Amino acid sequence: EIVMTQSPATLSVSPGERATLSCRASQSVSSNLAWYQQKPGQAPRLLIYGASTRATGVPARFSSSGSGTEFNLTISSLQSEDFAVYYCQQYNKWPPLTFGGGTKVEIK
Amino acid sequence: EVQLVESGGGLVQPGGSLRLSCAASGLTFSSYEMNWVRQAPGKGLEWVSYISSSGSTIYYADSVKGRFTVSRDNAKNSLYLQMNSLRAEDTAVYYCARDPGLTDWLLFFDNWGQGTLVTVSS
Repeated sequence: EIVMTQSPATLSVSPGERATLSCRASQSVSSNLAWYQQKPGQAPRLLIYGASTRATGVPARFSSSGSGTEFNLTISSLQSEDFAVYYCQQYNKWPPLTFGGGTKVEIK
Repeated sequence: EVQLVESGGGLVQPGGSLRLSCAASGLTFSSYEMNWVRQAPGKGLEWVSYISSSGSTIYYADSVKGRFTVSRDNAKNSLYLQMNSLRAEDTAVYYCARDPGLTDWLLFFDNWGQGTLVTVSS
């Protein structure tokens, strides 16, 4: 099973600032990585797939990079609606499909 | 607009059974592979099960293998999860989630239901 590790667990950022979230895989997942955003009481929302492709309707301030075992999700200028929990998910080797533990982006 | 609506959650005693349903609309349901993903209270996401568009290929997480059964009825645009021998650690919100692949699986999830809460407790 591929273990996904996200850091930090919590990121405190001021609105308008840049946020960078990290996701590490226990073995290479190539570019088979997705990012999701989840707000309280809501289902997750797909942000990124293929490690760097934004899903439909996702604002350009969200970008992602990386391949192999190290990935970053960057939010260039945090808006109020971006404060949420973010999960990475690998789909290179399965079953099982595995998620990271999440990074909570909170208002500083 | 794609809509996935789960139902069937509730309170059940350890060792009991529950059947979850996911009603799909706004998509050609029979063309898509589907999954169940769960989230324990205050915890992260855990993939539970996958079923191919035809229902011929099925996978489970080890944590539920032998206890849970996924199925679908394409004529009714519905996905199901039969959960037996439930344990306290199965307590979670259960989401159905669509794989966007049309000709083959992509294995990420572009549409999610709102979830249904399953609580296993005596």
